[in-house]
Amino acid sequence: GQNIDQPTEMTATEGAIVQINCTYQTSGFNGLFWYQQHAGEAPTFLSYNVLDGLEEKGRFSSFLSRSKGYSYLLLKELQMKDSASYLCAVRDLWGNKLVFGAGTILRVKS
Amino acid sequence: NAGVMQNPRHLVRRRGQEARLRCSPMKGHSHVYWYRQLPEEGLKFMVYLQKENIIDESGMPKERFSAEFPKEGPSILRIQQVVRGDSAAYFCASSPPDETGWENTEAFFGQGTRLTVV
Repeated sequence: GQNIDQPTEMTATEGAIVQINCTYQTSGFNGLFWYQQHAGEAPTFLSYNVLDGLEEKGRFSSFLSRSKGYSYLLLKELQMKDSASYLCAVRDLWGNKLVFGAGTILRVKS
Repeated sequence: NAGVMQNPRHLVRRRGQEARLRCSPMKGHSHVYWYRQLPEEGLKFMVYLQKENIIDESGMPKERFSAEFPKEGPSILRIQQVVRGDSAAYFCASSPPDETGWENTEAFFGQGTRLTVV
């Protein structure tokens, strides 16, 4: 079966750091993706992990531990425009599709 | 290079009518995926297509829903005899052919079609 869990909502302050966790239990694994989605818009790609460890990309970093079925997305120097939904997704073994979590709504306050 | 194009952006249908949603993948992309997103929920996989072939339709409802990706033209998601429960945002995503290194490639999403059934 496929199960991907992430917190429903988080609130953080402008300029701060926030970590959004994702745990997964899937029948196959071929990479983990993080997408950002603003209300009414398309999901946009943020990061990709297939090996254990940290991937850094500017203000955004993503970590993966395959043995623990765990990932997190780290956002630094938060800006108001970072208020959005953050989607964790696991690609299946055959690379056919992404299985998404329900998303974490992040609210950045001044 | 235009992104993934979906049309219409908004579609209103009465119960029992048909809805046709179109998706043109990014240039050079031969893989198309359809996802459905209900309010306050995550994206749910529906179907994966390559040109003229349905590769994985494990997420498609067994009745009323069909998808195609013809040799020429956009991919079409068709919903017959729509019901209120079909109201959702339908997103299309595309990715390049396998030989370009799909392993490290993300899927690019279109802006979605918001279907409202009244």
